[in-house]
Amino acid sequence: AQSVTQLGSHVSVSEGALVLLRCNYSSSVPPYLFWYVQYPNQGLQLLLKYTSAATLVKGINGFEAEFKKSETSFHLTKPSAHMSDAAEYFCAVSDNTDKLIFGTGTRLQVFP
Amino acid sequence: DTGVSQDPRHKITKRGQNVTFRCDPISEHNRLYWYRQTLGQGPEFLTYFQNEAQLEKSRLLSDRFSAERPKGSFSTLEIQRTEQGDSAMYLCAEGGEGPTDTQYFGPGTRLTVL
Repeated sequence: AQSVTQLGSHVSVSEGALVLLRCNYSSSVPPYLFWYVQYPNQGLQLLLKYTSAATLVKGINGFEAEFKKSETSFHLTKPSAHMSDAAEYFCAVSDNTDKLIFGTGTRLQVFP
Repeated sequence: DTGVSQDPRHKITKRGQNVTFRCDPISEHNRLYWYRQTLGQGPEFLTYFQNEAQLEKSRLLSDRFSAERPKGSFSTLEIQRTEQGDSAMYLCAEGGEGPTDTQYFGPGTRLTVL
């Protein structure tokens, strides 16, 4: 069965600093992986997804993620944090019936 | 912009009451999903529809829960005899018609059971 683990329920960075949100997956088949962002009182918005076409995936708002099979990881990064990036971020994997299995989320705080 | 709307956005009810939520996707996606998100957790799958057919139900979906998608467009999720443990955000999503296909989420309905 597929699953994802997000290390660190809270991450705090200063504005302008590197953002690194960690996600490790477990899958017996090649995984399809997603990062979603959730702003307060809103639904989830897709940031990016890995579909096996390229290991480095660029998403919206300057985010990107790299699929590393050897490390079973799909960490999300952004070179320079903005105050508007403060939100909760979820890593997810789609299973063999296409439903999404989410991690527990990482809350990103950005300090001025 | 997916245009998925959910109604109501917030619902407060007393334990034992029945509640019904509605999800209206704008696009003509064949798939529609329901997820539940409790505080501090990621969304958990409840059920999904392919057109009007309900194809899979999670073990989270007890017999107090029922979902329908009568004409393959909007969907309803009903909870009978609500319990405090049902308090959560209920999210609807359209799309996801393959393992790499994006699911587009609505804003959710936040249920509080007193």
